[in-house]
Amino acid sequence: AQSVAQPEDQVNVAEGNPLTVKCTYSVSGNPYLFWYVQYPNRGLQFLLKYITGDNLVKGSYGFEAEFNKSQTSFHLKKPSALVSDSALYFCAVRAMNTGFQKLVFGTGTRLLVSP
Amino acid sequence: DTGVSQDPRHKITKRGQNVTFRCDPISEHNRLYWYRQTLGQGPEFLTYFQNEAQLEKSRLLSDRFSAERPKGSFSTLEIQRTEQGDSAMYLCASSRDYTGELFFGEGSRLTVL
Repeated sequence: AQSVAQPEDQVNVAEGNPLTVKCTYSVSGNPYLFWYVQYPNRGLQFLLKYITGDNLVKGSYGFEAEFNKSQTSFHLKKPSALVSDSALYFCAVRAMNTGFQKLVFGTGTRLLVSP
Repeated sequence: DTGVSQDPRHKITKRGQNVTFRCDPISEHNRLYWYRQTLGQGPEFLTYFQNEAQLEKSRLLSDRFSAERPKGSFSTLEIQRTEQGDSAMYLCASSRDYTGELFFGEGSRLTVL
């Protein structure tokens, strides 16, 4: 069975500082990994994905994530946080080559960037 | 690209009533998904359509739930004999490929009194 763990309910960071939002996963075989963001009263928006290839994946709004197979992690990072990055972030996983389409999401991490 | 639209955005109903939600995906997307999200949780998969075929269905989708996508375009999710535990945000998403990059609508919030 697939699962995702986001160990932090909330991450606080000052504007201009680097940010990391943690995610670990469990899946049989190779994973597809995703980060989505949810702004208040808005739908979930895709940020980035890892399918194969380079372990460092770049996405929207300056975010990037690093796939680490040995640690089964896919942490989201940004070199310099903006107040507008404050939102709810979800990590998700899907097993590759199973034919199943469902994404399994974590419980989310609220990012709060202070001015 | 007008995005995924869902209707209604909010629905308040009494226990035991039936409700139906509609989702209009992005027009060129042939894959459509329904998820459910409760407060403090991530979205949970309910069902998946490729064109008009319902190919995956979660065990969360009890007999009271039914989803259709009759012509491979819009989809409906019906909940019969609603229970208070059905209160949640129902999310629809569509995609153009198999990799899982989903485009979500803003959701339909259901409150069962």
